[in-house]
Amino acid sequence: EAGVTQFPSHSVIEKGQTVTLRCDPISGHDNLYWYRRVMGKEIKFLLHFVKESKQDESGMPNNRFLAERTGGTYSTLKVQPAELEDSGVYFCASSRFGGVSTDTQYFGPGTRLTVL
Amino acid sequence: AQTVTQSQPEMSVQEAETVTLSCTYDTSESDYYLFWYKQPPSRQMILVIRQEAYKQQNATENRFSVNFQKAAKSFSLKISDSQLGDAAMYFCAYRSPATSGTYKYIFGTGTRLKVLA
Repeated sequence: EAGVTQFPSHSVIEKGQTVTLRCDPISGHDNLYWYRRVMGKEIKFLLHFVKESKQDESGMPNNRFLAERTGGTYSTLKVQPAELEDSGVYFCASSRFGGVSTDTQYFGPGTRLTVL
Repeated sequence: AQTVTQSQPEMSVQEAETVTLSCTYDTSESDYYLFWYKQPPSRQMILVIRQEAYKQQNATENRFSVNFQKAAKSFSLKISDSQLGDAAMYFCAYRSPATSGTYKYIFGTGTRLKVLA
């Protein structure tokens, strides 16, 4: 079974530019999550999809961030325009059941975003 | 709001020895889930061990075990017979019960574990 994949692995852009991150969850996982880790700090939740619907987007920092999951498969996270403080590692995770006690989130390798 | 604290930014252990990574959390919920994830260098995070708060018995997975102290809100990870492959960043995470309506994880800042040969 293929794991969660993320693309690109690393992106370097200039302030004001746009970047789109992609996440492919494990096949059959309806739940998809985005997290972000800023250097040296904790990993913070951004949002949660159930299929194509946004279940929880309480962690999205501002309206420069747009997440989509068309068709309930892969998801994209667009940052437009990027600011210096957006630099960090963006993790995607997926899970099959969501809230049940036995559910586990499986993480991708992350996309390291550097905004210059 | 729930918080997770990992007070040890970095730890070292000699190969074959035992090391304990600490994690404390704060919550007003009585039912929740706790996790330890491991992220080796340049690789993805993988689940090491999980604990349901309603279970009194400490979880164990081979060389990995936890010391779950619910009253003290403490959830430490013990790694026995440390191996070079255990070198990684370890994250402690908290998840609320499904009834809370949110499935997000709340993470600590991580502990980098070095294993010395």
